[in-house]
Amino acid sequence: DTAVSQTPKYLVTQMGNDKSIKCEQNLGHDTMYWYKQDSKKFLKIMFSYNNKELIINETVPNRFSPKSPDKAHLNLHINSLELGDSAVYFCASSQDTRYNEQFFGPGTRLTVL
Amino acid sequence: DQQVKQNSPSLSVQEGRISILNCDYTNSMFDYFLWYKKYPAEGPTFLISISSIKDKNEDGRFTVFLNKSAKHLSLHIVPSQPGDSAVYFCAATARVQGAQKLVFGQGTRLTINP
Repeated sequence: DTAVSQTPKYLVTQMGNDKSIKCEQNLGHDTMYWYKQDSKKFLKIMFSYNNKELIINETVPNRFSPKSPDKAHLNLHINSLELGDSAVYFCASSQDTRYNEQFFGPGTRLTVL
Repeated sequence: DQQVKQNSPSLSVQEGRISILNCDYTNSMFDYFLWYKKYPAEGPTFLISISSIKDKNEDGRFTVFLNKSAKHLSLHIVPSQPGDSAVYFCAATARVQGAQKLVFGQGTRLTINP
């Protein structure tokens, strides 16, 4: 009964492919996030959704498109993958937009060859 | 323009002694600060936090100190235990577009030696 889960855990793919990462939380939280941890280990926010609505959209290429079918799920679709997209992607959730504490998933390591 | 900085990439401490991890920030709009702990192949786990209206928060072996004038916070772990070996991330929040946006430091790898 993992609180925040992500699939897959590892993803290896070729440049130019399209891939998706799924995230689910069973905490009953309203707000979900996607973070990217790059090769320098910085964790940076990419997107945030609250009750299925996009509320934070950092400077992320249009090739990245988040989708929230319901408030328990936030998926990340990436088109035309590039070498620089290789990173670990973390999903997180918080009770709602007022709460600072965020709960993280285990991460998805994406490798683009 | 890294707004949250952890200048020590690694720290090694003897078991039973005090571990002190440091963090500096530049944005005076940050109003809440958190420490996360991360083991390999896992996501970050919330450890302890502090509001900008306080200067100290304690939870068991963990204490966070905030010096607003210096824009500096630190995490003290005492006594340090082998299970504390992990990467520790400092994070700060600011309200952006109606949501709390977490800005992370680059982490400090703490190793507790038996």
